[in-house]
Amino acid sequence: ETGVTQTPRHLVMGMTNKKSLKCEQHLGHNAMYWYKQSAKKPLELMFVYSLEERVENNSVPSRFSPECPNSSHLFLHLHTLQPEDSALYLCASSQGQVWGLEAPRNNEQFFGPGTRLTVL
Amino acid sequence: EDQVTQSPEALRLQEGESSSLNCSYTVSGLRGLFWYRQDPGKGPEFLFTLYSAGEEKEKERLKATLTKKESFLHITAPKPEDSATYLCAVPSAGGTSYGKLTFGQGTILTVHP
Repeated sequence: ETGVTQTPRHLVMGMTNKKSLKCEQHLGHNAMYWYKQSAKKPLELMFVYSLEERVENNSVPSRFSPECPNSSHLFLHLHTLQPEDSALYLCASSQGQVWGLEAPRNNEQFFGPGTRLTVL
Repeated sequence: EDQVTQSPEALRLQEGESSSLNCSYTVSGLRGLFWYRQDPGKGPEFLFTLYSAGEEKEKERLKATLTKKESFLHITAPKPEDSATYLCAVPSAGGTSYGKLTFGQGTILTVHP
């Protein structure tokens, strides 16, 4: 496997179910991200992990719970979701981590293929 | 708050008809601008990073340029396989906004044979 992989690619769940999305990066990066992409809306950052520590939680409801056990793996645990949570969930990784006065040059984010989530 | 606006929302071209996509941004200190291509149902694919006004990058039929207020993605003699949504994004300034990218809503490009 190369790049950023995500499983499953498609997921249908009821509002009372509990499921998890998995992301794995094979790029040796030290930062990982979860994004939500809904129709007709820009990509929304949900969570950022840098060196396995959560450094950003963008006002995401508690029914979404991230986990980063190591720098290569990222999970998004889902429970009691709502139909409006249906979207494409994207994972990304990057080499850059800490932003100071000078941004690191290699800070591009590389995305996985996404998980298409449908909440019934 | 950082803002990124892309125009047009959709662009339909004939094969070989060159054009440009626009990305206007408002950020407190530009730390780079990224262009991505996204095919339907897939994750964004990284294309270019531009760091300073006047910088240009090229890849096949695509050329990205940057000024102090906007970036352009020029498409020369496009082919149907260039059809996709093109996204631009800017990173937030330092402090607690580690690695945060603000994305535009994208331009949907359709190239007809």
